Amino acid sequence: GAGVSQSPSNKVTEKGKDVELRCDPISGHTALYWYRQSLGQGLEFLIYFQGNSAPDKSGLPSDRFSAERTGGSVSTLTIQRTQQEDSAVYLCASSLVGDRGDEQFFGPGTRLTVL
Amino acid sequence: GNSVTQMEGPVTLSEEAFLTINCTYTATGYPSLFWYVQYPGEGLQLLLKATKADDKGSNKGFEATYRKETTSFHLEKGSVQVSDSAVYFCALSDRGDYKLSFGAGTTVTVRA
Repeated sequence: GAGVSQSPSNKVTEKGKDVELRCDPISGHTALYWYRQSLGQGLEFLIYFQGNSAPDKSGLPSDRFSAERTGGSVSTLTIQRTQQEDSAVYLCASSLVGDRGDEQFFGPGTRLTVL
Repeated sequence: GNSVTQMEGPVTLSEEAFLTINCTYTATGYPSLFWYVQYPGEGLQLLLKATKADDKGSNKGFEATYRKETTSFHLEKGSVQVSDSAVYFCALSDRGDYKLSFGAGTTVTVRA
């Protein structure tokens, strides 16, 4: 069984450009999460999906960040007008139902570098 | 709000030494507690978890006990190996919540 996959694994972009990061969760997992891992901030929650709905977007740092999930499966995190402070590793995770005891399975991450 | 505090690293040990990484938490509800591990070049993976007070999670020789009275979930291993070198994260997920709140991570290096 495949795990959570993310693409691209590395992305280098120029300040001001838009980027899209993709996440393929484990098949059958209804819950999907995006986190960000950076040196100064540690691991931060960004957004949570249950099915195609996002009941919690509280971690998105600004309105330049958005995410969607389609077909209860693939999710895309979009960052518009990237800034240098957006440089980080973006992690996607999925879990079976989104319960507090659920194990979250993490992907390998996308390393974003904004020049 | 919810938060997790874990001991600062880095921690360097010799093989077969005893490892403890302290973790304490603050939560508004009744959280589940987790230890995640990130081996060099790999993604985060669950090491162990506990969902209620006095539960002990264990895996790969690691153990942690959910202590509600001290709001702690310290990670221990009696005899570490070089392959245990990794970054360890303590995390919680609160009742009615689903997202993980992580500690800052502790880098552990085990030398032969």
